[in-house]
Amino acid sequence: DGGITQSPKYLFRKEGQNVTLSCEQNLNHDAMYWYRQDPGQGLRLIYYSQIVNDFQKGDIAEGYSVSREKKESFPLTVTSAQKNPTAFYLCASRIGLTNTGELFFGEGSRLTVL
Amino acid sequence: KNEVEQSPQNLTAQEGEFITINCSYSVGISALHWLQQHPGGGIVSLFMLSSGKKKHGRLIATINIQEKHSSLHITASHPRDSAVYICAVRSGGGSQGNLIFGKGTKLSVKP
Repeated sequence: DGGITQSPKYLFRKEGQNVTLSCEQNLNHDAMYWYRQDPGQGLRLIYYSQIVNDFQKGDIAEGYSVSREKKESFPLTVTSAQKNPTAFYLCASRIGLTNTGELFFGEGSRLTVL
Repeated sequence: KNEVEQSPQNLTAQEGEFITINCSYSVGISALHWLQQHPGGGIVSLFMLSSGKKKHGRLIATINIQEKHSSLHITASHPRDSAVYICAVRSGGGSQGNLIFGKGTKLSVKP
C-alpha cells in the first residue's frame, strides 16, 4: 500500500541531544512537509521541500534541520538549539510542484525531552 | 485574531445525531481542506474544496467563498467518528504549498 511512514512513533531525548525523525513516502510525491503540533494550537510548518536537494524554511525553522537527498525521504533533525522540542511532529506529502494537490499525512512522531 | 477560526472547540453528541463543525477564515484562499485526526495522532484528508459542496458517505463539506466560511456536516453520527476535525486553508497562489490550520474541533460521539 502507498503511504507515508514516520518513525519512531515515540522518542525520548535528553536535553542537549540531537534527534532525527524519519519520514519516508512511496507515493512518488514531489513535495514533502514537516509540521509541529502543540496542544491547543494549529499545525505549524517547520520545513518543506518541493524537489530533491532543495528545501525551504517554514514559519518555525529555528532549531531544526532537514535534508532531501532522495525523493522518497525527508528526515527532520531536532537539534539541541531548539528551545522547546517536546511536541508532536507530522510529516506530509503532496503530488506535484503546484499548490493544488491533496495532502497525505503520516501517523506522527511524539518527541519528549526529559 | 487567528486567520482560521473553528467552532465549536469541543463537541459531544449522541450516536445518530447530525453534527456541524464550522470554519471561518479571514484571508483570501485558493482551497480549503478538512482533515480528521485520530486519537493516535495520524491525520487523514477528508475533503479539499474551493467552491460549492462535496459529499463522501456520511460526510458533507460546504464552502461559501463570499462569506469566507465552510462547514463540515456528519449525518447519523457514530462513535467511530470521534476525532479532532481540522480546517486548513491554502492562502494565495504560488508553489509554496503552505497551509494555515485551525486549532481543531474535538468531537466525541457517545453510544
